Amino acid sequence: EAQLVESGGAVVQPGGSLRLSCAASGFAFDEYTMQWVRQTPEKRLEWVSLISWDAANTNYVDSVRGRFTISRDNVKNSLFLQMDSLTTEDTALYYCARVGNFGHYFDLWGRGTLVTVSS
Amino acid sequence: EIVLTQSPGTLSLSPGERATLSCRASQTVSSNYLAWYQQTPGQAPRLLIYGATFRATGIPDRFSGSGSGTDFTLTISRLEPEDFAVYYCQQYGRSFTFGPGTRVDIK
Repeated sequence: EAQLVESGGAVVQPGGSLRLSCAASGFAFDEYTMQWVRQTPEKRLEWVSLISWDAANTNYVDSVRGRFTISRDNVKNSLFLQMDSLTTEDTALYYCARVGNFGHYFDLWGRGTLVTVSS
Repeated sequence: EIVLTQSPGTLSLSPGERATLSCRASQTVSSNYLAWYQQTPGQAPRLLIYGATFRATGIPDRFSGSGSGTDFTLTISRLEPEDFAVYYCQQYGRSFTFGPGTRVDIK
């Protein structure tokens, strides 16, 4: 069964850093574009970042560009999100998601990992 | 940025009734790249519909999607108890944006 499991969420002070991980299993991870999506405390969903199957292409929402870095390890079937210069606006539940076969919708989601930025 | 507006905010219905949810885009969604997701409490969103009309694997046929351009609809023909949830639309034609969601409550 295809599965994504996120980890690394924590409570961090403004200006701090955090690294999220996502472990994939049950499918050919190295064939898929992967993304991070976050859900705010108000339950709004926001796309954060994507990375192509070979890591050749990455993209970010404007609010995190320059502060967050997405990466992947296709040998270890893992996706990462390095988050620097965190602000309270980054507080959210972060989901790892797989891109579908016919477009950039998300056909598989993890259960999420919670990031809280607070002093 | 393409802004998605969903209506109504909350829909109160009884099991067995038909639910009609609307998603309107501020600009044309290219190639009808519009998806619908269902989220129940404590769970991740689940893909229901992609490409405006295509049901995802394992999704019951009581769920259907329609529409094009800027106006899209998700219809649940007969509500089952497990269908009471929050539903989000998402466009992936130009970057990726989500609507604010429609909550379907038990009346």
